[in-house]
Order: sequence, then C-alpha cells, then structure tokens
Amino acid sequence: DSGVTQTPKHLITATGQRVTLRCSPRSGDLSVYWYQQSLDQGLQFLIQYYNGEERAKGNILERFSAQQFPDLHSELNLSSLELGDSALYFCASSVGGRTTGELFFGEGSRLTVL
Amino acid sequence: AQSVTQPDIHITVSEGASLELRCNYSYGATPYLFWYVQSPGQGLQLLLKYFSGDTLVQGIKGFEAEFKRSQSSFNLRKPSVHWSDAAEYFCAVGSNFGNEKLTFGTGTRLTIIP
Repeated sequence: DSGVTQTPKHLITATGQRVTLRCSPRSGDLSVYWYQQSLDQGLQFLIQYYNGEERAKGNILERFSAQQFPDLHSELNLSSLELGDSALYFCASSVGGRTTGELFFGEGSRLTVL
Repeated sequence: AQSVTQPDIHITVSEGASLELRCNYSYGATPYLFWYVQSPGQGLQLLLKYFSGDTLVQGIKGFEAEFKRSQSSFNLRKPSVHWSDAAEYFCAVGSNFGNEKLTFGTGTRLTIIP
C-alpha cells in the first residue's frame, strides 16, 4: 500500500460527458502528479501540483483540468470525453522540493469512454 | 527534451534464470534515473534510483542497475528471477530536484516460465 488513494477505481461513461477523478496523497506529501497510461501512448505525464500551486505541465489536453485543494487532495477533471480518453489515470505523490525524487503511485482510476 | 527508450517490449525468462532489462536515455545533463515496477492491477513501485556516485545501484527485491554514461544506459539486472517478478518494468528519467516530473519509457513486460 503506497498510501495514495484514488477514486473511483473504475468509471464507465459516454462520449461528451465529464468526469472527476480524485486523489488523496500520502500523509505529508505536498506534491501531486497526474499520469495517463494508455496502450498506444504509454505513461504520459499530465500535470504536477505542489502545495496547491501548479508546478509543471505535460501533455495535458485543454479539455482536462486539475487542481490541488488546501487539504492537498487533488482532482482531475476530464470534459467533453472522447473514445481516445479511455485510459488508466494514475495519481502519484511525493514530498516535493529537494528530495529523493521517489513518486508514490496510487492504484489508478480506469476510465472507459463508450 | 529528456526521453527514455526501452527497446524490449516483452521478455520471457525461466524461473531461476538471470535477467537484464535494457534502458537508454537522452538527457543533456546528469540524469536522475529510476526503475519502477507495475504488477497487474497495481500502481507503480520504485525499485531503485540513481542520482550520482557509485554507478552500480542496489534496489529492492534483489534488483540492481548500472549507469553507463558512455552508453547512455541504465540497465536493470537480477541474477535469479522468481515467478513473483512477472510484471511490467518502467525506466524513467528525471530532470532536477524541485520538479520531480518523470519521463517514462514504454515499459517491458516480463513473463516468467516454470
């Protein structure tokens, strides 16, 4: 158990819909990262938040947005969903700052868009 | 931009045999290198990391990796694999402390046969 909690574990929805994925980081971790894992793209970095502020941005679509709340949990919002958005979405956390660089991953949220 | 190549998509080895998974990276400065393992239905777990110093690093579960700057490689090895090592293995490169965004390779799926 990494200490990172993601909900929901599975989600099935239709094209054009909007979903929210939630992540609770390990206790004490200030950074949260979102990754998308799909068969054709592999593991792609989406976005990082550190203590509530956006820290780094990767290949995140404009239809996607994220935020980190004062209690440090994070949400990834995916809107106007397309079939190609079907993937496993991972959240990871780390202490942040000048640390070991070790990320602790949740078990992921599997999104299926029909 | 940093990148990682894992040339082997799938490797099959016999239980008790030795293992080497290949990883090549591209990065302009001294890289921070990682190997993560993903068991079925699980998130990623850190096996080992290299920041500096001794180029042979030891990790958990009996794994080790060697950093070779001249070859831009960071291959993962294990002298004797166990059936429980069957999983997907990801090599990753990080940029600098303070921003722990990792770039992952496409992964190598390891199958163990009796």
